[in-house]
Amino acid sequence: AQKVTQAQTEISVVEKEDVTLDCVYETRDTTYYLFWYKQPPSGELVFLIRQNSFDEQNEISGRYSWNFQKSTSSFNFTITASQVVDSAVYFCALSEAANTGFQKLVFGTGTRLLVSP
Amino acid sequence: GAVVSQHPSWVICKSGTSVKIECRSLDFQATTMFWYRQFPKQSLMLMATSNEGSKATYEQGVEKDKFLINHASLTLSTLTVTSAHPEDSSFYICSARDLAGARYGYTFGSGTRLTVV
Repeated sequence: AQKVTQAQTEISVVEKEDVTLDCVYETRDTTYYLFWYKQPPSGELVFLIRQNSFDEQNEISGRYSWNFQKSTSSFNFTITASQVVDSAVYFCALSEAANTGFQKLVFGTGTRLLVSP
Repeated sequence: GAVVSQHPSWVICKSGTSVKIECRSLDFQATTMFWYRQFPKQSLMLMATSNEGSKATYEQGVEKDKFLINHASLTLSTLTVTSAHPEDSSFYICSARDLAGARYGYTFGSGTRLTVV
C-alpha cells in the first residue's frame, strides 16, 4: 500500500533562510508520481511540483528545488530565501500509475512552515 | 489551465439536514473525481473515487449512505452529506483527473468548509 511520511510537523525560520521539507514514501509500484502542494490558510491546494518516478533528474524552479532519491524513497523540497508569504502547510503526495492514468493521491500529514520577518 | 469550480465555499447547516457540494470541471472533462475530507490541522483523507456514469468507490470506514456521490456527467460531480451531524463538520475538497493527465495530473476545487450546528 502507498504511504507518505512527513516527519517534520512544524518548521519555523526567519525570512531569507533556506528551508528543506522532508518526505519519505512507500510504494510497490515501479511507476509512480510524487507531488508537493502548498495549502495557505484559505484552504485551497496550490500545486508546486510533480516528479515522475522514471525521471531521476532533480530540478530547480525559481526559489523551489527538489531532490528525488529513489534509492532511499525520499522526495525532499527546498525553498531558497524564504519569504513570509511562504508560510503555509506543505503536503507531499504520492500517486501510483495505472493504465488509465493517475490513481488516487495519498497525502502525507503535512509540514507547517512559519516564516517570520 | 484546467479549473475545477467548487460550491459552496462554506456552509453552515443545522444538525439533521442535508448539504450538497458541487464540483464542476471547466474547459475539460473529468473522467474521475476524488473527494477528500480534511479535519482541522490534519491531512487530506480520501473519502471516495467516482467515475462518470458509474457508482463511486468508497474508502474503508466511509459510510456510502451518508456521503452520497453522484458523477452523472463528465463535468459535474456532487457530494451530498445526508443527515449531517456536528462530527461531519470539516473541510471537503474535490479533485479531478482530466483525460490526458495534464501537467498537473490533478486539479483541485477550492474546498467547502462545512459547519454543522
